[in-house]
Amino acid sequence: KQEVTQIPAALSVPEGENLVLNCSFTDSAIYNLQWFRQDPGKGLTSLLLIQSSQREQTSGRLNASLDKSSGRSTLYIAASQPGDSATYLCAVRSGYSTLTFGKGTMLLVSP
Amino acid sequence: GAVVSQHPSRVICKSGTSVKIECRSLDFQATTMFWYRQFPKQSLMLMATSNEGSKATYEQGVEKDKFLINHASLTLSTLTVTSAHPEDSSFYICSARAPLAGGPATDTQYFGPGTRLTVL
Repeated sequence: KQEVTQIPAALSVPEGENLVLNCSFTDSAIYNLQWFRQDPGKGLTSLLLIQSSQREQTSGRLNASLDKSSGRSTLYIAASQPGDSATYLCAVRSGYSTLTFGKGTMLLVSP
Repeated sequence: GAVVSQHPSRVICKSGTSVKIECRSLDFQATTMFWYRQFPKQSLMLMATSNEGSKATYEQGVEKDKFLINHASLTLSTLTVTSAHPEDSSFYICSARAPLAGGPATDTQYFGPGTRLTVL
């Protein structure tokens, strides 16, 4: 059974810092990995999707890497801003209908 | 990007009543929709997968007679919580799969904004 772990559970940083969120998964037989953002009381917004054959994806200040063999992914946020404050969820697709989520990292960026 | 809507966004009901939540894919046809529930500070837990025109597939431990799912069209799925009890209070999120030519590696799901259910 696939298990996804995210570290840290919570992170508080001052504005402007670069930061890294970590995600690990137990079964490396995945189709892809996605990073989502969830604001309090809201649904999920897809940030980046990395296919199993890819090593990284970039979108603006966000960069996600994937090391499938070691079961790890990182989300790098450059020059953090207060608007980046949210919970970040990592999810892996290891089956046609199976998307397994981690518990998320709650990020607070203070002005 | 693809948009998924949910209605209502928030509902409060009395114990024993039934509540229906609608999920719509607004600008694409979704052959598969998913229903998740999320408890505070917890991850999303898949409840069931529904394919248009067929019966939903429920995850282990999810009561199919309590959580009725209907996927009558390619743009609409509904979740009905029957005889709701306080322990059913949760955040329910639907998701729709957008079919892509690249196969499951490019497969992505779009999520609705969620419905907060409170059962008194």
